[in-house]
Amino acid sequence: DSGVTQTPKHLITATGQRVTLRCSPRSGDLSVYWYQQSLDQGLQFLIQYYNGEERAKGNILERFSAQQFPDLHSELNLSSLELGDSALYFCASSVDAGNTGELFFGEGSRLTVL
Amino acid sequence: QKEVEQDPGPLSVPEGAIVSLNCTYSNSAFQYFMWYRQYSRKGPELLMYTYSSGNKEDGRFTAQVDKSSKYISLFIRDSQPSDSATYLCAMSDWDSSYKLIFGSGTRLLVRP
Repeated sequence: DSGVTQTPKHLITATGQRVTLRCSPRSGDLSVYWYQQSLDQGLQFLIQYYNGEERAKGNILERFSAQQFPDLHSELNLSSLELGDSALYFCASSVDAGNTGELFFGEGSRLTVL
Repeated sequence: QKEVEQDPGPLSVPEGAIVSLNCTYSNSAFQYFMWYRQYSRKGPELLMYTYSSGNKEDGRFTAQVDKSSKYISLFIRDSQPSDSATYLCAMSDWDSSYKLIFGSGTRLLVRP
């Protein structure tokens, strides 16, 4: 158990809908990262928050947004969903701003868009 | 061409074998190199972390980085059925060490 908690574990929804994925980082970790894992693209970095502020953006679509709250949990919002958004979404956390690459991953939220 | 290339496998070996997993990369700015293990329906977990070139050993696992060849390896000695998983290499550069670039992963099956 990495200590990173993600909910929900599974989510099935329809195209055009909006969903929110939630992540609680390990106790004491200040950074939260979101990654998308699909069969054709592998693990892709989406976005990082450090102590409540956005620190880095990767290949995140404009239809997606995230935030980190004062209690350090994070939410990833996916809107106007398309079939191609079906994937595993992982949250990871680290104690620092990511200088070492030592990330602790949650078990992921599997999103299926029908 | 992807920044990080990794043979997807699957790689099937008998218990006790030495396993060699490899990745090649194209970005010479990469400085941090990692190996993650991912069991089915689980998140990746960090196995090995190496900065720049050289070798690092941890129990049955040895990570090697050859920056001149842009090639990294993970060796598993005395492989066990519990090592059956997907192994992902990951790397990042100095300026954006937080942004890991992952290989596509190699599926390993260790047969009892």
